[in-house]
Amino acid sequence: AQSVTQLGSHVSVSEGALVLLRCNYSSSVPPYLFWYVQYPNQGLQLLLKYTTGATLVKGINGFEAEFKKSETSFHLTKPSAHMSDAAEYFCAVSSVSGNTGKLIFGQGTTLQVKP
Amino acid sequence: DADVTQTPRNRITKTGKRIMLECSQTKGHDRMYWYRQDPGLGLRLIYYSFDVKDINKGEISDGYSVSRQAQAKFSLSLESAIPNQTALYFCATSDPSGGPPNEQFFGPGTRLTVL
Repeated sequence: AQSVTQLGSHVSVSEGALVLLRCNYSSSVPPYLFWYVQYPNQGLQLLLKYTTGATLVKGINGFEAEFKKSETSFHLTKPSAHMSDAAEYFCAVSSVSGNTGKLIFGQGTTLQVKP
Repeated sequence: DADVTQTPRNRITKTGKRIMLECSQTKGHDRMYWYRQDPGLGLRLIYYSFDVKDINKGEISDGYSVSRQAQAKFSLSLESAIPNQTALYFCATSDPSGGPPNEQFFGPGTRLTVL
């Protein structure tokens, strides 16, 4: 069975600092990988996704993530945090077989950005 | 106008009451999903529907039922609400026509409190 683990339920950074949110997955076959962001009182919005091909994926708002098969990881980074990045971030996986489109989510990481 | 809407946005109810949460979408997507979000647990899939006649249980369907009244409408019911169903509920849609992986589009959520 597939699973997703996000290391750190809360991450705090200073404005302008590097953002690193960690995600590891467990799957017998490398799945499709996603990062979603949830701003306060809103639904989830897709930041980026990995399907096949280039392992470094660029998303919206300056975020990017790198798929590392050997480490079963898909960590999310941003070189310089903005106050507007404060939100909850979810890593998710979807099986490459069956095309059900079902997502399995990690526990979420709340990003705090300090002035 | 929002593409995926949920009503009500907030609801407080009592143990044993029947309650229905509604989801409507104008995206024309065939697939719809219901998730619940609990702190520290991320989002978990309750039910999903590939079209009006195809409804499937997710990982936590016990205590819930759904109805797909039309392509655009997917309702979630709690027949007899209990306090541990207090959570944030999200509806999502996706379009499989472009092939996997299919991005899911989320509604703004319904915050349900069962007293």
